[in-house]
Amino acid sequence: QVQLQESGPGLVKPSETLSLTCTVSGGSVSSGSYYWSWIRQPPGKGLEWIGYIYYSGSTNYNPSLKSRVTISVDTSKNQFSLKLSSVTAADTAVYYCAREILFGVDSSDLYFDYWGQGTLVTVSS
Amino acid sequence: QSVLTQPPSASGTPGQRVTISCSGSSSNIGSNYVYWYQQLPGTAPKLLIYRNNQRPSGVPDRFSGSKSGTSASLAISGLRSEDEADYYCAAWDDTPVFGTGTKVTVL
Repeated sequence: QVQLQESGPGLVKPSETLSLTCTVSGGSVSSGSYYWSWIRQPPGKGLEWIGYIYYSGSTNYNPSLKSRVTISVDTSKNQFSLKLSSVTAADTAVYYCAREILFGVDSSDLYFDYWGQGTLVTVSS
Repeated sequence: QSVLTQPPSASGTPGQRVTISCSGSSSNIGSNYVYWYQQLPGTAPKLLIYRNNQRPSGVPDRFSGSKSGTSASLAISGLRSEDEADYYCAAWDDTPVFGTGTKVTVL
């Protein structure tokens, strides 16, 4: 059974960098069949896709966050990570990591089959 | 602000049929698959419908999806108390976008 688990600080100061890691068990981030994604949800609001990484290191980011986001993968630890710089209160959210099945390069699928439980990150001084 | 618009809420009594709409445009729903996710209170979203109208294994056939032009719908028939949740549509629009979300209440 595939499991994803987010970890990282629950409190980040404004202007600093939010850093989260997603540890994958029961599956491999080195598989060429998946994208490894980050999605967030501000309290009481809807879902926002942040970006994904492929095992090769190729990435795709939400244009609205692209200048501040870096997603990386560590195949030796079976983990992938999110860094979001220059955070403000608007970045306060539950952050989810998720696995997306890759149907094809030009596919318009959004098949997120496994999700972490989510971790709340609050931006506050 | 999401480009996929859903009604904020929907409700029904047990056994009723509830339909949730998702309105988009030619750049998202009009030219790409629609997905639906269910988010029970305090939990991560769960895939409910993929490729407009397909159900993953384990999803009851009470849930059905459809798409026409630049809009899509999720129908829940035989509404049950455990269906009380938030529902999100999703589609590609250069990058993935989620709908505004609909809270379904079972009266």
